Amino acid sequence: AQRVTQPEKLLSVFKGAPVELKCNYSYSGSPELFWYVQYSRQRLQLLLRHISRESIKGFTADLNKGETSFHLKKPFAQEEDSAMYYCALIERGSTLGRLYFGRGTQLTVWP
Amino acid sequence: ETGVTQTPRHLVMGMTNKKSLKCEQHLGHNAMYWYKQSAKKPLELMFVYNFKEQTENNSVPSRFSPECPNSSHLFLHLHTLQPEDSALYLCASSHGQGAGEAFFGQGTRLTVV
Repeated sequence: AQRVTQPEKLLSVFKGAPVELKCNYSYSGSPELFWYVQYSRQRLQLLLRHISRESIKGFTADLNKGETSFHLKKPFAQEEDSAMYYCALIERGSTLGRLYFGRGTQLTVWP
Repeated sequence: ETGVTQTPRHLVMGMTNKKSLKCEQHLGHNAMYWYKQSAKKPLELMFVYNFKEQTENNSVPSRFSPECPNSSHLFLHLHTLQPEDSALYLCASSHGQGAGEAFFGQGTRLTVV
């Protein structure tokens, strides 16, 4: 069963516009959620995790257990934010850090 | 080189060939993973090794055979692959024990002809 859903395959915004990348999850327990990013010709890397409650490169994400969502937001998008974004989930209590990934959203920020 | 290193970066092989993908990490991690990234599917976990022991085989066909001689090295041996096996194969490592963050290599772009 698909544990992580990213409904938008492609998302385009203009520079300076707000951006929100959606992520919904399906898990009965207590998950840990992450956002990974893959810039062009670079490796997949961690952007942020919900337990840290931090803002990275202006991005934030709040875990909403009621809506089972973990949307990624940025108030003012920049061209360098153009990348592939993956939402990921770990089953809490997993001894291996086994990640379930969504299909990814390709974000394009136009100048 | 620090981080997770994968070789080769690109590989083209025939369906009757035998080849191997290599992954190396010098981060002191205990767990290593193989993922498959296809164009139309989410990242698929293939194998997990924890302290050199295979702890998961996610219903991967036997034409893919992993090997983990030590905690720093991971191989994926390939034989009699099919064209649909063409994909980007990513290696990752983590501390394990639910540590969360996985560090990825740049991947091997495999084309089966």
